[in-house]
Amino acid sequence: EPEVTQTPSHQVTQMGQEVILRCVPISNHLYFYWYRQILGQKVEFLVSFYNNEISEKSEIFDDQFSVERPDGSNFTLKIRSTKLEDSAMYFCASKSVSGANVLTFGAGSRLTVL
Amino acid sequence: RKEVEQDPGPFNVPEGATVAFNCTYSNSASQSFFWYRQDCRKEPKLLMSVYSSGNEDGRFTAQLNRASQYISLLIRDSKLSDSATYLCVVNIGGYGGSQGNLIFGKGTKLSVKP
Repeated sequence: EPEVTQTPSHQVTQMGQEVILRCVPISNHLYFYWYRQILGQKVEFLVSFYNNEISEKSEIFDDQFSVERPDGSNFTLKIRSTKLEDSAMYFCASKSVSGANVLTFGAGSRLTVL
Repeated sequence: RKEVEQDPGPFNVPEGATVAFNCTYSNSASQSFFWYRQDCRKEPKLLMSVYSSGNEDGRFTAQLNRASQYISLLIRDSKLSDSATYLCVVNIGGYGGSQGNLIFGKGTKLSVKP
């Protein structure tokens, strides 16, 4: 079964450092997403990306965040200057153009900011 | 008012029991509805979409009441492997639409005991 792959599985960083989380969506999918889940909290939408541009973003996705699709396979989330409250599980997801509005999530990248 | 509210749980039930989860959503413009399952520290995985006519998938039955903005999930003959957190999810996009901005509930934890 096709899957969304995320790296790293866990990253520990110091406050103020830049972090890049990487995702390889399912190959024939064209919509890409980042969600996050703070420990014990709900899953929250960050951003959606289609046709090489952001299509939607939440109020969480401020100027510290950016996304990029640097090549035909990777989709990255960058946090420029991490804060303690950025500690969370970050899930990448992708969706095909056709079919039901169903997202496939990756296993997540756990970010710990110290 | 929270966008998607669920029974907080936890629900502790014996194997073979029938258990029901409820969910309400605040945005009347919501068009598509889902139940996801999340195992501890794992990604959300789609359990089933929820349609106005109600739908069933094996031991799982989902119901939607648009007038009351209420969604339910019934699990019959529960198994040990059903132990997980069940997430109620809504989207203002339709089932075949492009919007993937899913709004998650906080989830209801189910523990099935032998």
